[in-house]
Amino acid sequence: GAVVSQHPSRVICKSGTSVKIECRSLDFQATTMFWYRQFPKQSLMLMATSNEGSKATYEQGVEKDKFLINHASLTLSTLTVTSAHPEDSSFYICSARAATGGFYGYTFGSGTRLTVV
Amino acid sequence: GENVEQHPSTLSVQEGDSAVIKCTYSDSASNYFPWYKQELGKRPQLIIDIRSNVGEKKDQRIAVTLNKTAKHFSLHITETQPEDSAVYFCAASIGTGNQFYFGTGTSLTVIP
Repeated sequence: GAVVSQHPSRVICKSGTSVKIECRSLDFQATTMFWYRQFPKQSLMLMATSNEGSKATYEQGVEKDKFLINHASLTLSTLTVTSAHPEDSSFYICSARAATGGFYGYTFGSGTRLTVV
Repeated sequence: GENVEQHPSTLSVQEGDSAVIKCTYSDSASNYFPWYKQELGKRPQLIIDIRSNVGEKKDQRIAVTLNKTAKHFSLHITETQPEDSAVYFCAASIGTGNQFYFGTGTSLTVIP
């Protein structure tokens, strides 16, 4: 089945530094990947849609200069949280859609717990 | 954009009883409705889904119903077990854009 690998699973960084999170589709090509953010006991909020070879589409209220997304290949999308602050501490999770399209092939990564101190 | 509402936010049932979680959506263009189960600190796992051309779908103890006219869909879990305890999220997807808009989640506790 479709497997999405996300790294790191946990990261602690100092305020003001940047953190890169990777999302890889291991056994399928993903033309589209989605990045979500989840605060404790809350729902998954879509941050942006990442399309291979083009600029990401950000949801309203998400700062594109703060959350840099790069989808350079059909198997890798990265989210970089720049100049992180404590309020950026959250659970970040990606999902990938198979290039074959349709309603199937949606798989979530295992998530990244970011703590900014 | 799409707005998905989910109720209740918390639900406690006795083992063996049924649990029902309801969601409504706003955009009539939505045509795919998955349900996810998420255990603490883990990724959401798809448990069942339904497309807009189907009114009901069942998979063992889990069923989903969809009312397109009223724009609501529900998750039904029968004969609940303690391992069903988790947070459940509904979602709606619009056309070929395929981004998911999630409901606010329901924390289900099955009491042994």
